Amino acid sequence: NAGVTQTPKFRVLKTGQSMTLLCAQDMNHEYMYWYRQDPGMGLRLIHYSVGEGTTAKGEVPDGYNVSRLKKQNFLLGLESAAPSQTSVYFCASSYLPDRGNSNQPQHFGDGTRLSIL
Amino acid sequence: AQSVAQPEDQVNVAEGNPLTVKCTYSVSGNPYLFWYVQYPNRGLQFLLKYITGDNLVKGSYGFEAEFNKSQTSFHLKKPSALVSDSALYFCAVRINFNKFYFGSGTKLNVKP
Repeated sequence: NAGVTQTPKFRVLKTGQSMTLLCAQDMNHEYMYWYRQDPGMGLRLIHYSVGEGTTAKGEVPDGYNVSRLKKQNFLLGLESAAPSQTSVYFCASSYLPDRGNSNQPQHFGDGTRLSIL
Repeated sequence: AQSVAQPEDQVNVAEGNPLTVKCTYSVSGNPYLFWYVQYPNRGLQFLLKYITGDNLVKGSYGFEAEFNKSQTSFHLKKPSALVSDSALYFCAVRINFNKFYFGSGTKLNVKP
């Protein structure tokens, strides 16, 4: 059981380049999230998905796009990378809250460290 | 606005002493509160969560959290700190079932 797997672990880009970060989970979770972590700012939600084929904006969505074509995968795209997008990106997933357990925690991957030069 | 705050950037404690990492929140309705721990170059790991009705919640690795509704706080505690507890700790609040807001994090340093 791998949990939440993020690829790649590290990447260096030049300004203007594009790339896609991949998140895969094997826990059959309905919800998936993308966060960025910057020093002193905690985690900020970029985009999230409540199910296959659906996505929604979080706190800081500008400059990013996402897709969830399969339940187990959540992709984060940077169309034209900017130095301000230098950060550590975390993917997380969780079960759908239900009547029996409405307080489901999130499970996190180990992050992708992205530098934009 | 709904939010969560961790007023201390860093907490220093000697091994064997009790530790407290503070968290206050501002939410409408029932709070869904969590504590996570992050070790270097790793993702966040779930420690514990608030369950309605239990003011003292027990979690992993001997940690517990005290919920105080009147003070809107959810402080993380441990009776006896270990050097291996040194890490970054995040308080989080869940809103509308599908969004989580995280505090800015508190670095815990446990010295031998």
